[in-house]
Amino acid sequence: QSVLTQPPSVSAAPGQKVTISCSGSSSNIGNNYVSWYQQLPGTAPKLLIYDNNKRPSGIPDRFSVSKSGTSATLGITGLQTGDEADYYCGTWDGSLNTGVFGGGTKLTVL
Amino acid sequence: QISLKESGPTLVKPTQTLTLTCTFSGFSLNTNGVGVGWIRQPPGKALEWLALIYWDDDKRYSPSLKTRLTITKDTSKNQVVLTMTNMDPVDTATYFCAHRHLSWFGEAFDYWGQGTLVTVS
Repeated sequence: QSVLTQPPSVSAAPGQKVTISCSGSSSNIGNNYVSWYQQLPGTAPKLLIYDNNKRPSGIPDRFSVSKSGTSATLGITGLQTGDEADYYCGTWDGSLNTGVFGGGTKLTVL
Repeated sequence: QISLKESGPTLVKPTQTLTLTCTFSGFSLNTNGVGVGWIRQPPGKALEWLALIYWDDDKRYSPSLKTRLTITKDTSKNQVVLTMTNMDPVDTATYFCAHRHLSWFGEAFDYWGQGTLVTVS
């Protein structure tokens, strides 16, 4: 059971927009910065977003994040078949004094 | 450029101790703010945060595994070692090491190794 809660799966058509939610608590998302990772099949995770809404070099602005209270939402616009992957949110938990991840969301681009 | 690579046994027996080594390049664990972490992923399951060691030798562990984990660094060899005692079949997973993203704000991993699959049987 992951500390952060994500929907198991989401789907949308190419070109459309999809959102992936990540729900936590005041000890993690509510008081810490959130990161997001994309994991393509058979590969290591790739950092998509850090410090709530910053994108590393090379990550397109099709990926964005909104955060409110103890939840964060990853939005992906202009969906491409190459976006099919598992997506994980992560943050620090001040009560546990450790990093935590969500359970992951499988994105299917129909 | 930063790169990391995990190494260690691919098969361990129950009750044995697992020792994994992360060998990295492109950064130094002597540099202020730098850290290296370990994350694992059982087949078909989610990522699980395990441990993190910082440049100043501060260490953080997953509470659920704290009694079984030890993370250490050898800055002269550019290596970080994770040991996990009393291995069980449920510990079968791909183990990743990763570089802590340098930020004044949040914790994230920006460079990851390819991962190494460890089977406990």
